[in-house]
Amino acid sequence: DIQMTQSPSSLSASVGDRVTITCRASQSINNFLNWYQQKPGKAPKLLIYSASSLQSGVPSRFSGSGSDTDFTLTISSLQPEDFATYYCQQSYTTPQTFGQGTRLEI
Amino acid sequence: QVQLQESGPGLVKPSQTLSLTCTVSGGSINGGSYYWSWIRQPAGKGLEWIGRVYSSGNTNYNPSLKSRVTISIDTSKNQFSLKLSSVTAADTAVYYCARENWSGYSSDVWGQGTTVTVSS
Repeated sequence: DIQMTQSPSSLSASVGDRVTITCRASQSINNFLNWYQQKPGKAPKLLIYSASSLQSGVPSRFSGSGSDTDFTLTISSLQPEDFATYYCQQSYTTPQTFGQGTRLEI
Repeated sequence: QVQLQESGPGLVKPSQTLSLTCTVSGGSINGGSYYWSWIRQPAGKGLEWIGRVYSSGNTNYNPSLKSRVTISIDTSKNQFSLKLSSVTAADTAVYYCARENWSGYSSDVWGQGTTVTVSS
């Protein structure tokens, strides 16, 4: 299986901050990398697919970049509703695998 | 818009079979550029991909569960299902069904999730 490693595991930030979360794959996954946001008690929500494509309806303050093994999710200006846990996922091959999550706290 | 809803028992005894159904509304499960997937999440932990099915019935499973998992699809009912046999406490989790879009093979629509507890 392809291992996905996110860093940091948790992050404290303030409203208005610029935040970057990184995700590293154990082997090349081309650009088959997706980012999800999950709030407590809720299902994950797709933010970014194919490394850098913004899912419809997702605010433009979210952006993704990277290819091969190294990827980043950036939130340009944190809003109160952005405090959540973020997961990366590789969809290059099955079994699809997720990072361990990054908890973004106030 | 497409919506997914999981249903099934919330409590399963050890060694028995967990059975869940996902009902798709607002769109057809038949054809199209989508897989239909199951993903689970133990309390306080990360996400685990269980497997997926296409409308043709073709499936892919996580090898870690493959010997115990069956995912099937009923296009006439617009539903797909998960069966996980010989369950243990380690299978206790929130189970999500999701639509996997062939655009990047990302899961763009999710059910709300259903909690399944394995306990006698």
